[in-house]
Amino acid sequence: GQNIDQPTEMTATEGAIVQINCTYQTSGFNGLFWYQQHAGEAPTFLSYNVLDGLEEKGRFSSFLSRSKGYSYLLLKELQMKDSASYLCAGTDSNYQLIWGAGTKLIIKP
Amino acid sequence: TAGITQAPTSQILAAGRSMTLRCTQDMRHNAMYWYRQDLGLGLRLIHYSNTAGTTGKGEVPDGYSVSRANTDDFPLTLASAVPSQTSVYFCASSPGPHTDTQYFGPGTRLTVL
Repeated sequence: GQNIDQPTEMTATEGAIVQINCTYQTSGFNGLFWYQQHAGEAPTFLSYNVLDGLEEKGRFSSFLSRSKGYSYLLLKELQMKDSASYLCAGTDSNYQLIWGAGTKLIIKP
Repeated sequence: TAGITQAPTSQILAAGRSMTLRCTQDMRHNAMYWYRQDLGLGLRLIHYSNTAGTTGKGEVPDGYSVSRANTDDFPLTLASAVPSQTSVYFCASSPGPHTDTQYFGPGTRLTVL
């Protein structure tokens, strides 16, 4: 079957680092997306990984291991505005995106 | 630049009534998508269009229809709404199909009673 798994909720402290994991099982893999979604708003693009390894973009980094079917999103120097849901999505054999349910990140002062 | 817009923002609809959710993008993107988002579930693809004049079925197409008469517009129609169609509906677009970055509209919150 095709599945994207990520934790439902995580809590972290302002200024700290948090890692949000995502595991996937898809029949046709063509890359892994991360999106951010604030409550009541639309998802916005964060990163896209096709090759193994870490890609850094400011305070956010995304990692992919194709052999392990695993990705993570790393957020550094957490700010209150980072409180949001983080959605992981991978492609299936029809090249359509399969979305995880999202990880709600709560930032505490 | 507006990007991608949706209308209405929210709607309460009686079961059995029909409804069209509107979506317009001004980015000249080839591909467009309709998703529904329900609590505890990931975004689920309803229908998509890789280019004007073509449409395809996603994961949950039953009860919904779409058309793509031109590049900019991608309306979603519920012919006879049922309570299980209560959801938040997002329209998205991307330069190319599926694996390109998708840009989302602000969403339509639909309640079917």
